[in-house]
Amino acid sequence: AQSVTQLDSHVSVSEGTPVLLRCNYSSSYSPSLFWYVQHPNKGLQLLLKYTSAATLVKGINGFEAEFKKSETSFHLTKPSAHMSDAAEYFCVVSGRFNTPLVFGKGTRLSVIA
Amino acid sequence: ETGVTQTPRHLVMGMTNKKSLKCEQHLGHNAMYWYKQSAKKPLELMFVYNFKEQTENNSVPSRFSPECPNSSHLFLHLHTLQPEDSALYLCASSQAHIPRETNEKLFFGSGTQLSVL
Repeated sequence: AQSVTQLDSHVSVSEGTPVLLRCNYSSSYSPSLFWYVQHPNKGLQLLLKYTSAATLVKGINGFEAEFKKSETSFHLTKPSAHMSDAAEYFCVVSGRFNTPLVFGKGTRLSVIA
Repeated sequence: ETGVTQTPRHLVMGMTNKKSLKCEQHLGHNAMYWYKQSAKKPLELMFVYNFKEQTENNSVPSRFSPECPNSSHLFLHLHTLQPEDSALYLCASSQAHIPRETNEKLFFGSGTQLSVL
């Protein structure tokens, strides 16, 4: 079975400082991993995706994530937070073949001016 | 915009009402999904339709009834709901549910915020 754990329900950073959103996964298969972002009153949008190619994945809006198999982690980072980054972020792992995705509970990112 | 449109954006209903949520996508996708998003809980997959056929029903109570008349439209019919059904209901679409490599980029609508009184 697949599962994903987002280690922080809320992260608060100052504008211009680095962002780290943590995610650990469990999968019986070689996983595909994703980060989605949800801005207030909006649907979820794909930030980036890992599918067994390069372990460091670059996404939109300056975000990137590194797949670390030894640590079963897929943490999301950004060097410098912007006010517009304030949103809910979801770490997602692919399910077994031919089933939909498994979502984490989400991490709410607040950016302080 | 993601190309997936949900209406209404907000819905308040009593427990004896019957209402429907609508989802429409103009992306040429063949798979459509209903998810439930409750506070402090992971997104819960409710239903999956692939080429208009229901391929997943995640033990959803029968008071939720999906309908997929064509690949572009998806409905969720609601009747005799409970207050605990209050949540954000998200629709999503993807190229297809099969094969695995092409089914995983989901495009989400903005959701319908449902309140059951």
